[in-house]
Amino acid sequence: ILNVEQSPQSLHVQEGDSTNFTCSFPSSNFYALHWYRWETAKSPEALFVMTLNGDEKKKGRISATLNTKEGYSYLYIKGSQPEDSATYLCASNMDSNYQLIWGAGTKLIIKP
Amino acid sequence: DVKVTQSSRYLVKRTGEKVFLECVQDMDHENMFWYRQDPGLGLRLIYFSYDVKMKEKGDIPEGYSVSREKKERFSLILESASTNQTSMYLCASSSGQGAHYGYTFGSGTRLTVV
Repeated sequence: ILNVEQSPQSLHVQEGDSTNFTCSFPSSNFYALHWYRWETAKSPEALFVMTLNGDEKKKGRISATLNTKEGYSYLYIKGSQPEDSATYLCASNMDSNYQLIWGAGTKLIIKP
Repeated sequence: DVKVTQSSRYLVKRTGEKVFLECVQDMDHENMFWYRQDPGLGLRLIYFSYDVKMKEKGDIPEGYSVSREKKERFSLILESASTNQTSMYLCASSSGQGAHYGYTFGSGTRLTVV
């Protein structure tokens, strides 16, 4: 069984602080790494899909990096705001398989 | 605004009932997926479909079936609901143009089986 692991499971961050969390995935036959944000009572929303080793993507205050050789990705949030409170999910495809293997998520809570 | 719509946000059903969860997407996506999400676990794939009338079992298909008669609609059927099927069910779709395209999700159906 091939697993995607996310850490930490949950995280409390003071408003205005920056934070980051980790996604580990199988590095063999890697194809793509996905990040999603899932706010309570809403649909999970795609943040990034990354395919190239060393790739870095950015969307406003959120950015992600990818290391396919060692099998990890970091998600960074700069200057956390209350609206960043959500569960952040990562998922990996292998080969060109459409199926994703999902991590259990990191629940981020921003304290005002 | 592109959308995946799930027919119900909350459902309460009795043990043994046949339950239908409907999912419709308006993006002309080839791929559609049904997941369940339980606390502390990643999304677990129940069934998926790459095309009309095609279906493939995911990781946990037991107790479920699916139907895809039209490209835009993917239905999940619980043949005889049981309490261990109480969960959040998420439908998603993605483009068939490549596995590096992101998924678009519905807002989920929280099913309680009593």
